Amino acid sequence: GNSVTQMEGPVTLSEEAFLTINCTYTATGYPSLFWYVQYPGEGLQLLLKATKADDKGSNKGFEATYRKETTSFHLEKGSVQVSDSAVYFCALSYMEYGNKLVFGAGTILRVKS
Amino acid sequence: NAGVMQNPRHLVRRRGQEARLRCSPMKGHSHVYWYRQLPEEGLKFMVYLQKENIIDESGMPKERFSAEFPKEGPSILRIQQVVRGDSAAYFCASSPGSYNQPQHFGDGTRLSIL
Repeated sequence: GNSVTQMEGPVTLSEEAFLTINCTYTATGYPSLFWYVQYPGEGLQLLLKATKADDKGSNKGFEATYRKETTSFHLEKGSVQVSDSAVYFCALSYMEYGNKLVFGAGTILRVKS
Repeated sequence: NAGVMQNPRHLVRRRGQEARLRCSPMKGHSHVYWYRQLPEEGLKFMVYLQKENIIDESGMPKERFSAEFPKEGPSILRIQQVVRGDSAAYFCASSPGSYNQPQHFGDGTRLSIL
């Protein structure tokens, strides 16, 4: 079946450090890939997405590239801020399956000043 | 431009009672999804609805849980005879249904069972 695996957290970084959160997926065909962010007590917000191989999604300094050969969609940011502290979810969906999202377990990011 | 609205934000029920969770999708969105987030876990798909139709309920428990999205009004997720294991955050998401359009999430309903 379809699944998403994320690196376990929490990830603790100092402000301005480089961030990588690994995400790999198992799927048949060509799913769309997403990163969502969840701040405490809130719902999920779409951070970025990619719909086909080699697409790069980017937003607010975050970026991720759809790598079909390694079935990965790693999230990166060059310089994190305290305000980036949140839980990050990698997810996939298929149009053929009604676009329902399959989520990874989430990675907690804590940024210290 | 209002986002996805869920209410209540917090709901407390005693074991055996019914819980009713509401979701109003974004304007122009006709597709609604419900997800459940257990403590310390990711979100799990429960059910996918379009107006007056359940499209996919493969993630919803067969007993005690039901969902609807009537022609008028919000989508409702109903849990009958709640048990402690139903304690979770329930999130609703909506989309316009077009190819590759992302889902937009509400802030969730946090259900606590005493």
